[in-house]
Amino acid sequence: AQSVAQPEDQVNVAEGNPLTVKCTYSVSGNPYLFWYVQYPNRGLQFLLKYITGDNLVKGSYGFEAEFNKSQTSFHLKKPSALVSDSALYFCAVRRYSSASKIIFGSGTRLSIRP
Amino acid sequence: EAGVTQFPSHSVIEKGQTVTLRCDPISGHDNLYWYRRVMGKEIKFLLHFVKESKQDESGMPNNRFLAERTGGTYSTLKVQPAELEDSGVYFCASTKGDVPNEKLFFGSGTQLSVL
Repeated sequence: AQSVAQPEDQVNVAEGNPLTVKCTYSVSGNPYLFWYVQYPNRGLQFLLKYITGDNLVKGSYGFEAEFNKSQTSFHLKKPSALVSDSALYFCAVRRYSSASKIIFGSGTRLSIRP
Repeated sequence: EAGVTQFPSHSVIEKGQTVTLRCDPISGHDNLYWYRRVMGKEIKFLLHFVKESKQDESGMPNNRFLAERTGGTYSTLKVQPAELEDSGVYFCASTKGDVPNEKLFFGSGTQLSVL
């Protein structure tokens, strides 16, 4: 069975500091991995995805994520946080199969203080 | 290009009443998904339409939930009768194809409160 764990309900970071939002996954076979962001009163927006190849994936708004197969992790990172990055972040996984569903984590609220 | 739209944005009903949620996917998107997030937990899959057909409805909680997509355009999700545990945010998403690495386009959700 597929599953995603986001161990932190909330992450607090000062503006200008680097940020990391953690995600670990469990899936049989090779995974597709995603990060989505939800701003207040908006739907989820796609940030980035890992398919294959380079373990470091770059996405929107200066975010990047690192795929680590041995640790089954896909942590979201940004070198320098902005107040506008404050939002709810969801990690998701899907198997290499058109019959599989995308499975989301429980979300991590990122709060950037000025 | 219009995005995925959901109506209503909020609904407050009493236990035992009926509520119908609507989702209009992006034009041309054959795949439509319903998801639900309850009380800060994970976003859970409910079901997947390909055009008007239910491809996967394994996430539907019980027979009080009925989803339709007549004509393969917009979709409705009816809850009848609603129970307290049905409260949560219901999201709709759409994609053109069903390639596993394809990104989902989400609506802003319907916040359902059952009192």
